Amino acid sequence: TQLLEQSPQFLSIQEGENLTVYCNSSSVFSSLQWYRQEPGEGPVLLVTVVTGGEVKKLKRLTFQFGDARKDSSLHITAAQPGDTGLYLCSLKNFNKFYFGSGTKLNVKP
Amino acid sequence: DSGVTQTPKHLITATGQRVTLRCSPRSGDLSVYWYQQSLDQGLQFLIHYYNGEERAKGNILERFSAQQFPDLHSELNLSSLELGDSALYFCASSVVSGTDTQYFGPGTRLTVL
Repeated sequence: TQLLEQSPQFLSIQEGENLTVYCNSSSVFSSLQWYRQEPGEGPVLLVTVVTGGEVKKLKRLTFQFGDARKDSSLHITAAQPGDTGLYLCSLKNFNKFYFGSGTKLNVKP
Repeated sequence: DSGVTQTPKHLITATGQRVTLRCSPRSGDLSVYWYQQSLDQGLQFLIHYYNGEERAKGNILERFSAQQFPDLHSELNLSSLELGDSALYFCASSVVSGTDTQYFGPGTRLTVL
């Protein structure tokens, strides 16, 4: 059983569209990270959220942490081809790090 | 460029063999983490070292071992390789132990034939 479930698994959209991807856990966690990974490269940290209900913005990306700290979402406004990649959420539990299986996003020009 | 280096970039070997993957953390980072990423398992945490000491173990097989040297570089040793060990192996580093902020290297792609 995955500690973190991400949905959808795949998403293919046109440039300019908005999208939301989700990350859910059966356990409460103290913090959660979102990463973006391009093919053949290592994941790159986008944001860390730590407070229930927290909202963080990174240009066209909006990250939200659920009030109960068991879920998180990433919303992208006006997606661009440069947003294409694998979006991973991750949490730390007892000094071990767990990753979801990711959402593979393809933004077509 | 994250500042974390990994060598080699690609490695092709045969079943039963042993290989060593190397990681140099960012300057000043004391923590090193190893991960395995395969198509069916996603990104799996293997092991964490801090300033030369093992801090946490994840889903690391007994055939695999790691160490962190006094100069803080780390090596991941994989032995008695099986086809299923084919994967991308990533190293990440951070300043302190267990911090949420990790910087990933470019990975080593291991192919076992």
